[in-house]
Amino acid sequence: AQSVTQPDIHITVSEGASLELRCNYSYGATPYLFWYVQSPGQGLQLLLKYFSGDTLVQGIKGFEAEFKRSQSSFNLRKPSVHWSDAAEYFCAVGVNEKLTFGTGTRLTIIP
Amino acid sequence: NAGVTQTPKFQVLKTGQSMTLQCAQDMNHEYMSWYRQDPGMGLRLIHYSVGAGITDQGEVPNGYNVSRSTTEDFPLRLLSAAPSQTSVYFCASGFRGQANEQFFGPGTRLTVL
Repeated sequence: AQSVTQPDIHITVSEGASLELRCNYSYGATPYLFWYVQSPGQGLQLLLKYFSGDTLVQGIKGFEAEFKRSQSSFNLRKPSVHWSDAAEYFCAVGVNEKLTFGTGTRLTIIP
Repeated sequence: NAGVTQTPKFQVLKTGQSMTLQCAQDMNHEYMSWYRQDPGMGLRLIHYSVGAGITDQGEVPNGYNVSRSTTEDFPLRLLSAAPSQTSVYFCASGFRGQANEQFFGPGTRLTVL
């Protein structure tokens, strides 16, 4: 069965600093990969997804993620964070039309 | 479009009570699903449906029932609530296909005393 690991439970960065959130997956083939964001008290919103082709994918809100097959990783990046990026971020893999989520990384932004 | 709607937003139950969480979507999506979100555990799939009349179990189905009589609606039933079912429940929908986005509702926060 597939699994997703997000090793960082909580990350704090300064506004304007760069950000990288880590995601590693376990699956026998290349899965479909997603990053979702959840603002407090809200549902989840898709940031970006990878299913084939270019390993660097662009998403909404200035986020990007890079798929590295050799490392089974799909890390999320943003060059300069804004206070509004404070939220919880979930990595997910899609297999057989079902999503398996990681445990999430909570992002705090300090002025 | 209203997207994915869920009712109620909040609910408190006593152990042993039953209730139905409602989920509806107006995007003509074939695929609908229910997740529960617990602290430190991410979201876990409870049940899902790939079309009207078709449902299947996810990772944590015990204690929950679903049915899909229409494309639009996918209710989740708790027949006899237990404190372990205290959680935030999210409904999601999308077009079929593994690379397709799932759209999430705002969630229902359920407390079982």
